Amino acid sequence: EIVLTQSPATLSLSPGERATLSCRASQSVSTYLAWYQQKPGQAPRLLIYDASNRATGIPARFSGSGSGTDFTLTISSLEPEDFAVYYCQQRRNWMYTFGQGTKLEIK
Amino acid sequence: QVTLKESGPALVKPTQTLTLTCTFSGFSLNTTAMRVSWIRQPPGKALEWLARIDWDDDKFYSTSLKTRLTISKDTSKNQVVLTMTNMDPVDTATYYCARSYGASGGYFDYWGQGTLVTVSS
Repeated sequence: EIVLTQSPATLSLSPGERATLSCRASQSVSTYLAWYQQKPGQAPRLLIYDASNRATGIPARFSGSGSGTDFTLTISSLEPEDFAVYYCQQRRNWMYTFGQGTKLEIK
Repeated sequence: QVTLKESGPALVKPTQTLTLTCTFSGFSLNTTAMRVSWIRQPPGKALEWLARIDWDDDKFYSTSLKTRLTISKDTSKNQVVLTMTNMDPVDTATYYCARSYGASGGYFDYWGQGTLVTVSS
């Protein structure tokens, strides 16, 4: 099983600031990695797939990068609606796994 | 418009079998490269992928839960069913069904709203 480790667990920032979230895989997943946003009481929403492709309707302030074992989700300038929990997920093999999440909170 | 909705009991007793149904619209599981997965999330915790069924009836299960899970589909009803045997309080979670499709078929582009299942005597 591929383990995904996200850091930091909690990130405290202000609107307008830049957010950088990290996801590290226990073995290479190539670029088969996605990022999701989840708000309280809601299902996750797909933001980024294949490490760097924005899903339909996702604003350009969200970007993803990385390959192999190290990945980054960047939010260039935080909007109030961006404060949520973010998860990474790999599809390198059929046994999909998620990271434990990073909570992005308002400072 | 793609929608998915989970249904099933809100409360089950330990050792019982849980049966959840995902009813979807806006796509067909007869379409090549279409897949539906079940994912759960214990309260306040992370997401955990459970099982997947493909358009061609291939099935995949979480290795840690494989012995307890069965996934099936009824394409005429646009439904996917998950059964989980021998339920335990640690299985208390919100259970989601989600769609994945195409070459990037391991990513979940549409999700149901989730259904909370509590395991308690």
